[in-house]
Amino acid sequence: AQSVDQPDAHVTLYEGASLELRCSYSYSAAPYLFWYVQYPGQSLQFLLKYITGDAVVKGTKGFEAEFRKSNSSFNLKKSPAHWSDSAKYFCALGPNTGANTGKLTFGHGTILRVHP
Amino acid sequence: EAAVTQSPRNKVAVTGGKVTLSCNQTNNHNNMYWYRQDTGHGLRLIHYSYGAGSTEKGDIPDGYKASRPSQENFSLILELATPSQTSVYFCASGDNWASYEQYFGPGTRLTVL
Repeated sequence: AQSVDQPDAHVTLYEGASLELRCSYSYSAAPYLFWYVQYPGQSLQFLLKYITGDAVVKGTKGFEAEFRKSNSSFNLKKSPAHWSDSAKYFCALGPNTGANTGKLTFGHGTILRVHP
Repeated sequence: EAAVTQSPRNKVAVTGGKVTLSCNQTNNHNNMYWYRQDTGHGLRLIHYSYGAGSTEKGDIPDGYKASRPSQENFSLILELATPSQTSVYFCASGDNWASYEQYFGPGTRLTVL
């Protein structure tokens, strides 16, 4: 079975600070990992993905994430944070089985609030 | 630009009634998905489809049926709605080769009284 854990339900910081949203996963093989963002009142948007290769992947809106196999983590980072980054962020895992079903397992999400 | 639309955007239904949620995509993607989003649960997969005529059970299919009559359209059907199905429902589409990169619709807020 696979699972995704986002241990922080809420993260609050001030504009200009560095943000890091935590994500850990459980999966028996090498996973595909994703971050999606949901702005208030909107649907989910794809942010970035890790499939293979470089551990640090860059996405849209200045975000990047680092895959760490050693502790099964895929944390999302951005510096500096902007008030417009306030949103709910979801980490997700896709099984690397060779059959690309597209079935994603999502974490519960982290609500980020960036104060101006 | 890729687009996924859902209708209705808001729906109030009565317990025991039939509810159909519709999804249309203009991405020409083969894969389509139905999720529900509840506080404390994130997104959970209900049904998905690999193409016209196909439907597959997701992680929480009980109480739901799905229909994929064409490449563009994917419906979620609640034959006998219950209050526990009150939720926000999202449809998404994905290409075969990058299906994990999914494009989501705006969501439907369903309330079952």
